[in-house]
Amino acid sequence: QSVLTQPPSASGTPGQRVTVSCSGTYSNIGTKTVNWYQQLPGTAPKLVIFNNNMRPSGVPDRFSASKSGTSASLAISGLRSEDEADYYCAAWDDSLSGMLFGGGTKLTVL
Amino acid sequence: EVRLVESGGGLVEPGGSLTLSCDVSGFVFSDYYIDWVRRAPGKGLEWVARSRHKGKGYSTAYAASVKGRFTVSRDDSRNFVYLQMNRLKIEDSAMYYCARTDRTVHKDLDYWGQGTLVTVS
Repeated sequence: QSVLTQPPSASGTPGQRVTVSCSGTYSNIGTKTVNWYQQLPGTAPKLVIFNNNMRPSGVPDRFSASKSGTSASLAISGLRSEDEADYYCAAWDDSLSGMLFGGGTKLTVL
Repeated sequence: EVRLVESGGGLVEPGGSLTLSCDVSGFVFSDYYIDWVRRAPGKGLEWVARSRHKGKGYSTAYAASVKGRFTVSRDDSRNFVYLQMNRLKIEDSAMYYCARTDRTVHKDLDYWGQGTLVTVS
């Protein structure tokens, strides 16, 4: 069982805005930065958000994120079919001295 | 071009050993941490281990599930990172990825390899 909690699934229609939540504790999200990863079927994960709300070069500005207290969220606006993937939040955890991933959210574009 | 290429995966019996390699190029290897992350069939991503650079004393960190069985090491002269896996269990079966981390800008796992498959059976 993951210490970072994500909903197992989310969905939306093309053009919609969807959000994915990630809940943690003081020792991880509460005091550390959050990153978000996208994993398309059969491919390696890809970093889409780092340092809570920063986008790596090449990631469209449709992707945004925020953090408040011990929770974080990823938002995807103008949903497109190619956004259909698994999304994971991650953060270092000081009490475990290791990185934690959320359980992953499977995003379906209807 | 930043590249990370894993190798060494395969089929091994429970209790056996395997060493994975991560060949990196396209960046100053000695400035970055390298992490290993795995994804078991039907499961989500799981962080496995971290190799820090010389500036952090080449220190390492491990997930509780592998601590004492797995060892991560790096060779700065050859730009390689290794994951020695001992006393393998069926639940260690997964695709194993190596990935680069730049802690100076809080950019964890910004480039990934394509993965190497480990099957324990």
